[in-house]
Amino acid sequence: GENVEQHPSTLSVQEGDSAVIKCTYSDSASNYFPWYKQELGKRPQLIIDIRSNVGEKKDQRIAVTLNKTAKHFSLHITETQPEDSAVYFCAAYGAAGNKLTFGGGTRVLVKP
Amino acid sequence: SAVISQKPSRDICQRGTSLTIQCQVDSQVTMMFWYRQQPGQSLTLIATANQGSEATYESGFVIDKFPISRPNLTFSTLTVSNMSPEDSSIYLCSVGLGAYNEQFFGPGTRLTVL
Repeated sequence: GENVEQHPSTLSVQEGDSAVIKCTYSDSASNYFPWYKQELGKRPQLIIDIRSNVGEKKDQRIAVTLNKTAKHFSLHITETQPEDSAVYFCAAYGAAGNKLTFGGGTRVLVKP
Repeated sequence: SAVISQKPSRDICQRGTSLTIQCQVDSQVTMMFWYRQQPGQSLTLIATANQGSEATYESGFVIDKFPISRPNLTFSTLTVSNMSPEDSSIYLCSVGLGAYNEQFFGPGTRLTVL
């Protein structure tokens, strides 16, 4: 089945700097890659996603890139703010399995 | 998206007992899922709740331990049976919307087993 690896597991950045989280996946048939943000004690929230026919997608300060050849995708947060502090999860949707497989998560801390 | 609610939001239970968690959605959805999130960990899929048929369980999860019902397109239950402290976790339901099953999560049920 699908395997998703996520790095780093923790990330500390200064407010205003950029943060980058990287994920790799194993199933070349995967075609949908969402990112979730989970604040402490809250449910995971879908913040951005990308489909396999697109290389990059932006939404204000967040962007996601996808390299299907290398089977990796990344989340970029620019001009980080304290409210960006949370755990971020990447996931991959395998066409065969009809389900999401999640990465291990990245705890992001934005220091004011 | 959809409005998803779960009951109870939290519970403390004794080992050997069972707890049933309810998940309600404000619109009809084809795909509903149940996840477990252990403290400080990622989300692990327990099963896909299929309407009108048995749930599809992931490796490591069995129907006797986690029976699931899906009586209609807006509601599902997950039962955690014969609980042990290792079952202490957050249990989340999610619904899949759209062609790519964009998943939206319920608020979760925090279970503590003593």
